[in-house]
Amino acid sequence: GAVVSQHPSRVICKSGTSVKIECRSLDFQATTMFWYRQFPKQSLMLMATSNEGSKATYEQGVEKDKFLINHASLTLSTLTVTSAHPEDSSFYICSASAGGANVLTFGAGSRLTVL
Amino acid sequence: GDSVTQMEGPVTLSEEAFLTINCTYTATGYPSLFWYVQYPGEGLQLLLKATKADDKGSNKGFEATYRKETTSFHLEKGSVQVSDSAVYFCALGNTNAGKSTFGDGTTLTVKP
Repeated sequence: GAVVSQHPSRVICKSGTSVKIECRSLDFQATTMFWYRQFPKQSLMLMATSNEGSKATYEQGVEKDKFLINHASLTLSTLTVTSAHPEDSSFYICSASAGGANVLTFGAGSRLTVL
Repeated sequence: GDSVTQMEGPVTLSEEAFLTINCTYTATGYPSLFWYVQYPGEGLQLLLKATKADDKGSNKGFEATYRKETTSFHLEKGSVQVSDSAVYFCALGNTNAGKSTFGDGTTLTVKP
């Protein structure tokens, strides 16, 4: 079946640094990927839709300069959290649609901790 | 716009008990409906889906029926196991772009 690989699974960084998270579709091409943020014991918050070869579409309230998204190929999207601060600490999850009927395949998530 | 309302948790059950997690939705058109499961520290996995009215999705003993008349997609399992402890998300997909709308999630804990 469709597999989405997300890396790293855990990352700890110092305040002010930037962190890049990768999302790869391993056995299918994904023209569209989605990035979510999940706070403890809360639902998924869609941050942005990543479009291959064009700019990402950000949800209302999400800072595009803070959360840079690049989708340079049909199998890779990256999320860069720039100048990270402790409030950016969260669980970030990506997904892609591999088949019909809007079924999403999710990555395993990346837990970011900013000290 | 589209929305999904899920039964609030947390839900705590004893092993072999019957499980129901309610889910209702509001959407235009004819969405597909999904249940996803998230185990601790992991991403989401598709549990089951239904693409049209009266379809029943099933997997690993879980079932849900797409009820258009009541706009519902309740998740059920006849006998839960400790390994079913997880967070369950109801979702709907209403566009070909793959963008889905998620409920808030329901945490299930099954005790031996």
